[in-house]
Amino acid sequence: EPEVTQTPSHQVTQMGQEVILRCVPISNHLYFYWYRQILGQKVEFLVSFYNNEISEKSEIFDDQFSVERPDGSNFTLKIRSTKLEDSAMYFCASIWQESTDTQYFGPGTRLTVL
Amino acid sequence: SQKIEQNSEALNIQEGKTATLTCNYTNYSPAYLQWYRQDPGRGPVFLLLIRENEKEKRKERLKVTFDTTLKQSLFHITASQPADSATYLCALLNAGNNRKLIWGLGTSLAVNP
Repeated sequence: EPEVTQTPSHQVTQMGQEVILRCVPISNHLYFYWYRQILGQKVEFLVSFYNNEISEKSEIFDDQFSVERPDGSNFTLKIRSTKLEDSAMYFCASIWQESTDTQYFGPGTRLTVL
Repeated sequence: SQKIEQNSEALNIQEGKTATLTCNYTNYSPAYLQWYRQDPGRGPVFLLLIRENEKEKRKERLKVTFDTTLKQSLFHITASQPADSATYLCALLNAGNNRKLIWGLGTSLAVNP
């Protein structure tokens, strides 16, 4: 069964450094999402992406964040200058069309900012 | 204010019993509500979806109900097994939103053998 994959599974970085989290959505999917989950807290929507542009973003997704689909398979989340409070699990999700309701999630990347 | 709340306390039940988890929402108009399972350190896994015009949905040992008057969804696992132990999340899509899911905190379920 096709699945969303994410790399790395765990990323440790120093505060102020840039990180890029990578996702490979399911191949025929067209809509992509990033969520984050701080330990012990709710899953929070960050951004949705369709047709090579951001569809919607949350107030969390400030200028330090960016997303890109650099080729036909990868979907990346970049954090330019990480802060301690960026430490969280980051999940990528995808759906194949907007009328499809089920979002398929990747296993997540645990980001630890020291 | 808008809220989505699930049983805050962990649920411990005996194997074979029915687990019932609650999701309540305030000041949302969900187009639908979904239930996910999340194991420690893993991403959410979709289980069931119920739309605003549906009262009940079933899938194998799982059942979801949706009461838009009470603003509540119940999630049932019948004949529970230790392998059902996980955190269960509810998430709703608010009418008009661009597929942005709004999540509850989740309820931890432990099924004891």
